[in-house]
Amino acid sequence: DGGITQSPKYLFRKEGQNVTLSCEQNLNHDAMYWYRQDPGQGLRLIYYSQIVNDFQKGDIAEGYSVSREKKESFPLTVTSAQKNPTAFYLCASSFRTLQGTGANVLTFGAGSRLTVL
Amino acid sequence: GIQVEQSPPDLILQEGANSTLRCNFSDSVNNLQWFHQNPWGQLINLFYIPSGTKQNGRLSATTVATERYSLLYISSSQTTDSGVYFCAVEPSGTYKYIFGTGTRLKVLA
Repeated sequence: DGGITQSPKYLFRKEGQNVTLSCEQNLNHDAMYWYRQDPGQGLRLIYYSQIVNDFQKGDIAEGYSVSREKKESFPLTVTSAQKNPTAFYLCASSFRTLQGTGANVLTFGAGSRLTVL
Repeated sequence: GIQVEQSPPDLILQEGANSTLRCNFSDSVNNLQWFHQNPWGQLINLFYIPSGTKQNGRLSATTVATERYSLLYISSSQTTDSGVYFCAVEPSGTYKYIFGTGTRLKVLA
């Protein structure tokens, strides 16, 4: 089945440690996204990538880093510089041609819950 | 940047009731989606609707892009409709979706 796999589902870390969240998709989508959700709040964009080896900062990129070495994979690292990393992290992907044509329909993974102790 | 506001923020319904959720956005958009977030946090795409009207069972949606709003209609609500409903818009000239503030719906049996 095609879809987006995020791992781990739950992650506990001590303050000051870097953590990496995995996001893999087998939908052959070009674009991938990372969002953060705090309890009772909406989703805020951290980083997004339209194509391999290229990515852009979203609205809350400080304290996070990403890479896009493969079309299928878009890992997110939460660094020790992120002041309040405890949150629910959601990865999404969409099909978008380089010309920007076609419907840009977001599909989400199941999410990863990070708790910093 | 673009502002995306949803109303009402909270809604409690009796099973079988109908409801209308609204999404207002402050600038022109290329795309718009409605999502339902279930109690486990999973976001389910309900509609991709940059303009016009679509229906899927008890749900329907209408987007009037020129007036910068979209509506989600839920008819004959069921307890399984409970959760949070988000609209998300892709502002013109960008390649990223911005999410609204959400409407938290609770349907009582």
